[in-house]
Amino acid sequence: AQSVSQHNHHVILSEAASLELGCNYSYGGTVNLFWYVQYPGQHLQLLLKYFSGDPLVKGIKGFEAEFIKSKFSFNLRKPSVQWSDTAEYFCAVSYNNNDMRFGAGTRLTVKP
Amino acid sequence: DTGVSQDPRHKITKRGQNVTFRCDPISEHNRLYWYRQTLGQGPEFLTYFQNEAQLEKSRLLSDRFSAERPKGSFSTLEIQRTEQGDSAMYLCASSLGDRKEKLFFGSGTQLSVL
Repeated sequence: AQSVSQHNHHVILSEAASLELGCNYSYGGTVNLFWYVQYPGQHLQLLLKYFSGDPLVKGIKGFEAEFIKSKFSFNLRKPSVQWSDTAEYFCAVSYNNNDMRFGAGTRLTVKP
Repeated sequence: DTGVSQDPRHKITKRGQNVTFRCDPISEHNRLYWYRQTLGQGPEFLTYFQNEAQLEKSRLLSDRFSAERPKGSFSTLEIQRTEQGDSAMYLCASSLGDRKEKLFFGSGTQLSVL
């Protein structure tokens, strides 16, 4: 079955630390890849997306993600986190332009 | 506010009762999706519509669940004979065009079945 795995359930960092959140997906043909973020008390919103082309994708608020096809991965990174990045982060994959599957999410806590 | 709106925000019901949720997508969006999210999990796909046509349903959607989008605008999700396991956040999202377009999510309806 097609699935999305996020290995880190809860990550705690201090401000200015670097961030990398893992995301792996099962093989299923053509994929479109997304990271969504949910800030406390807010609804899910798109952080960045990859469809084709340059595997290094830059999103909002200094986030980026790298698509590594051979590893079926789409890890999210940020060089220096801020307290305002405290949120839950969801990796999502759309297989063959069909429904979007989400990972279980990673809760990020940034200590001031 | 021209985003996706869901009503009600919270619903508490007794086991065995029927409940109905409403979703109003962004007006020009032709795709509408329903997801369910439980604590500690990501959103789970339930179903989606292209205009008024329901194109796909997840196996998670038992016979007690039904969704409609009669005029291709707002949608309703009904759960009949609710069970405690139905307690979750029900999320609606909409998008313009195909799957490559990003989803715009509503704030969700939190269902608690007692």
